[in-house]
Amino acid sequence: GAVVSQHPSRVICKSGTSVKIECRSLDFQATTMFWYRQFPKQSLMLMATSNEGSKATYEQGVEKDKFLINHASLTLSTLTVTSAHPEDSSFYICSARVGFYSTDTQYFGPGTRLTVL
Amino acid sequence: AQKITQTQPGMFVQEKEAVTLDCTYDTSDQSYGLFWYKQPSSGEMIFLIYQGSYDEQNATEGRYSLNFQKARKSANLVISASQLGDSAMYFCAMREIKNTGNQFYFGTGTSLTVIP
Repeated sequence: GAVVSQHPSRVICKSGTSVKIECRSLDFQATTMFWYRQFPKQSLMLMATSNEGSKATYEQGVEKDKFLINHASLTLSTLTVTSAHPEDSSFYICSARVGFYSTDTQYFGPGTRLTVL
Repeated sequence: AQKITQTQPGMFVQEKEAVTLDCTYDTSDQSYGLFWYKQPSSGEMIFLIYQGSYDEQNATEGRYSLNFQKARKSANLVISASQLGDSAMYFCAMREIKNTGNQFYFGTGTSLTVIP
């Protein structure tokens, strides 16, 4: 079956540094990729939606200059947390969808745990 | 092998009726967690319900209940008294707790349509 990978699975960084998280669809081309951030009580907050070759659409309240999303190809999207601070520590999950419709099949990555010291 | 399997790509239910969305999982861990999320067309993921592997009683949250059958490794979501607003994608997920941190696995989702 389709697989979405995330790299790294865990990252610890110092405050003020930038961290890049990769999301790859391994055996299919993803038209759309989503980035989520997990908050306490299991909720997953949608950060942004990106379509290949176009700028990401950020959700309200998400700083686009802080969370840089690039969807350069149909198999790769990256999330860069710039000038990370301890409050950015969280679990970040990406997902990849084959088509543009909400009912199209969507595959999730295993997540990346970011800890900012 | 798939960690989470949702065999129903699409489901239809009459308004006010109950519906069951299937989910089976595969793990050799003793401690794990099972989740259900609702995803409207906006893409957000709304947490619905959680079941821990050691919880003896089935989880319930309002109109949502989780039919947890550990021996069969199934965690079906039951939505009672369906409403038009329940139309959405529904994802089943499992969290395994590893030494390296939590690992999440999601199913491919079930598209639920509530018919008036």
